[in-house]
Amino acid sequence: GAGVSQTPSNKVTEKGKYVELRCDPISGHTALYWYRQSLGQGPEFLIYFQGTGAADDSGLPNDRFFAVRPEGSVSTLKIQRTERGDSAVYLCASSLTQGAGTPLHFGNGTRLTVT
Amino acid sequence: KQEVTQIPAALSVPEGENLVLNCSFTDSAIYNLQWFRQDPGKGLTSLLLIQSSQREQTSGRLNASLDKSSGRSTLYIAASQPGDSATYLCAVRLRGDYKLSFGAGTTVTVRA
Repeated sequence: GAGVSQTPSNKVTEKGKYVELRCDPISGHTALYWYRQSLGQGPEFLIYFQGTGAADDSGLPNDRFFAVRPEGSVSTLKIQRTERGDSAVYLCASSLTQGAGTPLHFGNGTRLTVT
Repeated sequence: KQEVTQIPAALSVPEGENLVLNCSFTDSAIYNLQWFRQDPGKGLTSLLLIQSSQREQTSGRLNASLDKSSGRSTLYIAASQPGDSATYLCAVRLRGDYKLSFGAGTTVTVRA
C-alpha cells in the first residue's frame, strides 16, 4: 500500500513569503505528526494531531507556524512571513494507533529553502 | 526534557564486520524506543521498536536491546553490507507523551 506522501518534495521561497506544505498519511492512520529536521540533526517535534484536532502543538516555534487537518486525513503545515532560519526538511509521520507497539511511518519530507 | 545521545556520530567499517550503535537517554520513564534508518535526502524508515516491557527485538541481521535502568539501547547489525550505509537514528517516547525525542544519529559507511 501507499506510504506517507508529502508534497512538494522541494520548495524554494523568498524571505517574507507564505508557504504551505502538504501531508497525505497512510489511509486509516488517525495519528499524524509534523517534525522539522536541520542538517546533521535528528528531527524535532512540531505538532501532533489525533483525528482532526491538534492534541499537542507545543513544538511550533512561534505564531508564524500553523497546521490543520480538517477532515482527519490530509494535513497542511502553513508558515507565514518565512525567515531564512525556517530552512529545513519538514517531515510528516503517521501511525495507526497510539499503542506502545505501534511504529511511526515517515514520509520523504519537504525540503524548504528560504532565500 | 528527554535528552537522547548517539555515539559515535560516524562510523566506517569494512564489509562483513559487525556494527554496534549506541543510544543513551536521560529519562528512563519511557513508553517505547524506536530505531530508524535514513538514507540521504529521504525520510525515516522504522527498523525496530522496543516497548518499555521488552528487553530486545530482532529482525533479520538487526538486533536492538534496551536497558531502561541505565538509559541505554544498542543496535547490532551483523555481517554488515555496503547497502547498510545510512544514518541510523534512535528515538524515545516517554510515558504519557506522544512525541518522539530523537538523537542526532550515527552515520555508517560500510566499505566494499
